[in-house]
Amino acid sequence: QQQVKQSPQSLIVQKGGISIINCAYENTAFDYFPWYQQFPGKGPALLIAIRPDVSEKKEGRFTISFNKSAKQFSLHIMDSQPGDSATYFCAASRQGAQKLVFGQGTRLTINP
Amino acid sequence: EAGVVQSPRYKIIEKKQPVAFWCNPISGHNTLYWYLQNLGQGPELLIRYENEEAVDDSQLPKDRFSAERLKGVDSTLKIQPAELGDSAVYLCASSGLNTEAFFGQGTRLTVV
Repeated sequence: QQQVKQSPQSLIVQKGGISIINCAYENTAFDYFPWYQQFPGKGPALLIAIRPDVSEKKEGRFTISFNKSAKQFSLHIMDSQPGDSATYFCAASRQGAQKLVFGQGTRLTINP
Repeated sequence: EAGVVQSPRYKIIEKKQPVAFWCNPISGHNTLYWYLQNLGQGPELLIRYENEEAVDDSQLPKDRFSAERLKGVDSTLKIQPAELGDSAVYLCASSGLNTEAFFGQGTRLTVV
């Protein structure tokens, strides 16, 4: 079954802290692992994505860590800001964007 | 550049009534997706189009849901008749060759 399990469901972090969200997948055929950010009343927007040929990808304050052997990947948000407060979804697919399987989401709150 | 446009943004209908959602993808994007997002959950793929052809509709409840993408551009998703459990956000997304999926703001359906 093509599942992506995400944790935690909710997360509260102080401003300036590090936010960490974890995901685990089952299907070893997945080859594209994006993270989406969703604000209330908006559609999900791609934040950062990684392919399994690298173990880490960093874009600004956002980093994906990927562990192929454990079938896990995580999102790290450094120096978290109140504007980062949103729901974050991990996803996985076999063909780029064509059949994304999403995790259940993490509601992140950054306290000022 | 305009993003994915969906209408209406909100819709309230009585159960057993029909409802339709409209999506205009990003210009030049051949792939169009309809996703269902239940409250507090990640999006789930309902149907994927490559131009005007539905190439993946395995998750579409065909007894009451239908979709079309005439001329390979705009798309319509219909529910007839609607049930209380259909209350959710319906997201449309599009992607081009080797690009990420861009999501619209969604249509929030409430069935009463």
